[in-house]
Amino acid sequence: DTEVTQTPKHLVMGMTNKKSLKCEQHMGHRAMYWYKQKAKKPPELMFVYSYEKLSINESVPSRFSPECPNSSLLNLHLHALQPEDSALYLCASSHTGKLFFGSGTQLSVL
Amino acid sequence: RKEVEQDPGPFNVPEGATVAFNCTYSNSASQSFFWYRQDCRKEPKLLMSVYSSGNEDGRFTAQLNRASQYISLLIRDSKLSDSATYLCVVNKGGDSSYKLIFGSGTRLLVRP
Repeated sequence: DTEVTQTPKHLVMGMTNKKSLKCEQHMGHRAMYWYKQKAKKPPELMFVYSYEKLSINESVPSRFSPECPNSSLLNLHLHALQPEDSALYLCASSHTGKLFFGSGTQLSVL
Repeated sequence: RKEVEQDPGPFNVPEGATVAFNCTYSNSASQSFFWYRQDCRKEPKLLMSVYSSGNEDGRFTAQLNRASQYISLLIRDSKLSDSATYLCVVNKGGDSSYKLIFGSGTRLLVRP
């Protein structure tokens, strides 16, 4: 079983909605990640937080806003998304370079 | 050229077969190498790290060739439960060591 917990597991939202994805880990890992995965494609890196500071932003549109309130929590705030943003959003933490993924949030934007 | 490239799939093999996947990477500064397994509609899960000396875990053997910049995964005695997509993952290296790049994945189908 994964030790990275993501909520919600499924989310349907309209293009004018504001929603947030949440991720939590209690393994003491100091790096946390957001990945986006479309069907039949590999995960694509969005953001990396290292010691609660944003260290990598892969030119993600501003309608996606990450937040790291503390070393165990990672949020992804969503606003004014487009239908093409529909995907599986995966959170991960890392230790010694190894990634540990949550089970993801399947997002549908209508 | 993609940063991480994998064999195109799918590989369709009978139970008990031996199958090998290759993966090449473009950044010579990369230091960390992994194989992940992903089942349909599930998250990727770490299968094994890949070390310069090569490493084995049961039926799975991983090799790294730094000179040629490729890694491999060998699966012996394939089981039906091995059917999944296998993702090669490489870190970017240098100042971007936190950046882990995924290959496009190789799909394995093991048939009875």
